[in-house]
Amino acid sequence: RKEVEQDPGPFNVPEGATVAFNCTYSNSASQSFFWYRQDCRKEPKLLMSVYSSGNEDGRFTAQLNRASQYISLLIRDSKLSDSATYLCVVNTGMDSNYQLIWGAGTKLIIKP
Amino acid sequence: NAGVTQTPKFRILKIGQSMTLQCTQDMNHNYMYWYRQDPGMGLKLIYYSVGAGITDKGEVPNGYNVSRSTTEDFPLRLELAAPSQTSVYFCASSRTGNYQPQHFGDGTRLSIL
Repeated sequence: RKEVEQDPGPFNVPEGATVAFNCTYSNSASQSFFWYRQDCRKEPKLLMSVYSSGNEDGRFTAQLNRASQYISLLIRDSKLSDSATYLCVVNTGMDSNYQLIWGAGTKLIIKP
Repeated sequence: NAGVTQTPKFRILKIGQSMTLQCTQDMNHNYMYWYRQDPGMGLKLIYYSVGAGITDKGEVPNGYNVSRSTTEDFPLRLELAAPSQTSVYFCASSRTGNYQPQHFGDGTRLSIL
């Protein structure tokens, strides 16, 4: 099992729809979770951190399920500009606390 | 505010050549990282540094070296370039460890032919 696993997609979604991605992680000791967004041929940019209680930032909602070891990202009222690859990032949970494990990403395409 | 700056943006090397990828940040971040990203894959950590004078290996360090003589600079050295090192290289920094988000440079697209 990969340490961090994402459905690669692509998810083809009409503008205005709601879309959700999950990301599973293997290390139960992991404590830090993030969603990053990466546009084609660009650098990753932080979208949001994921907190235990769940958190929301405008149209984006992130949730953590520790029992099942996954995090989720929900995008409401999707815009054309939301088209990107969404990367799930989890810390290793080991003594070397500086290493983050990156998922391969879920590609989202918003259609007009 | 420049953030994280990487040079060069593109480079083509011949097999066996060497080069240094430059990375500098102006945010006074202690932690710096080098990643590589192959097509359709997630980022793989090559080396990281938790402060000036301190470096450590990541997941895929073979074929690379780093140094951290100042807080600002974290160059990545490729010795004896191989086709398997063809990739996009990203440098990143964060204020502290992995509880903090990382800020990335624009990346260096490197091809080894």
